[in-house]
Amino acid sequence: GQQLNQSPQSMFIQEGEDVSMNCTSSSIFNTWLWYKQDPGEGPVLLIALYKAGELTSNGRLTAQFGITRKDSFLNISASIPSDVGIYFCASRPSYNTDKLIFGTGTRLQVFP
Amino acid sequence: DGGITQSPKYLFRKEGQNVTLSCEQNLNHDAMYWYRQDPGQGLRLIYYSQIVNDFQKGDIAEGYSVSREKKESFPLTVTSAQKNPTAFYLCASSIEPASTDTQYFGPGTRLTVL
Repeated sequence: GQQLNQSPQSMFIQEGEDVSMNCTSSSIFNTWLWYKQDPGEGPVLLIALYKAGELTSNGRLTAQFGITRKDSFLNISASIPSDVGIYFCASRPSYNTDKLIFGTGTRLQVFP
Repeated sequence: DGGITQSPKYLFRKEGQNVTLSCEQNLNHDAMYWYRQDPGQGLRLIYYSQIVNDFQKGDIAEGYSVSREKKESFPLTVTSAQKNPTAFYLCASSIEPASTDTQYFGPGTRLTVL
């Protein structure tokens, strides 16, 4: 089936540093979504991308829909302690657009 | 305020007992979903429902059951047939299933089977 490969698996950075994570697949997708999950909570949508090449920002977050439609990246600039959490990419598989599939997540830890 | 509520936040059960997790939304969304999350893993789809009185199996439906008698409610029953029920369970909803709109998640229920 279609899978989303997310990397890195975890990141440990200092406050103020920039962060970059990505999501790749061998399949083509028409949607890329980025969610953040705080410990013990449900994921919250950060950015949604619907067109190849699309670059979208949400505050210090920037995400891009890859031109090949097989990848997406999320950047966080000037990280702060509240950026701590797990970041998931997600998309709709072509075999069933009624549901989402999720990457395995990138766990971000920010040290002051 | 509109949103999705899940209760309880933490749930403990003895092995062999069925347990039902609650999920309610007042967003007037048609579609609702149940996911399971295990440590270090992504979300895996258990069941989803596109409309009242209809639901479909997800990727890991074995040992679970659902009902959708009302638009705003989508309870999940973890049966004794589920071999490894201890996990974090997340409910989500979206305006309609195959739209470009996204899924909105509840706060989750952490189930521990002793």
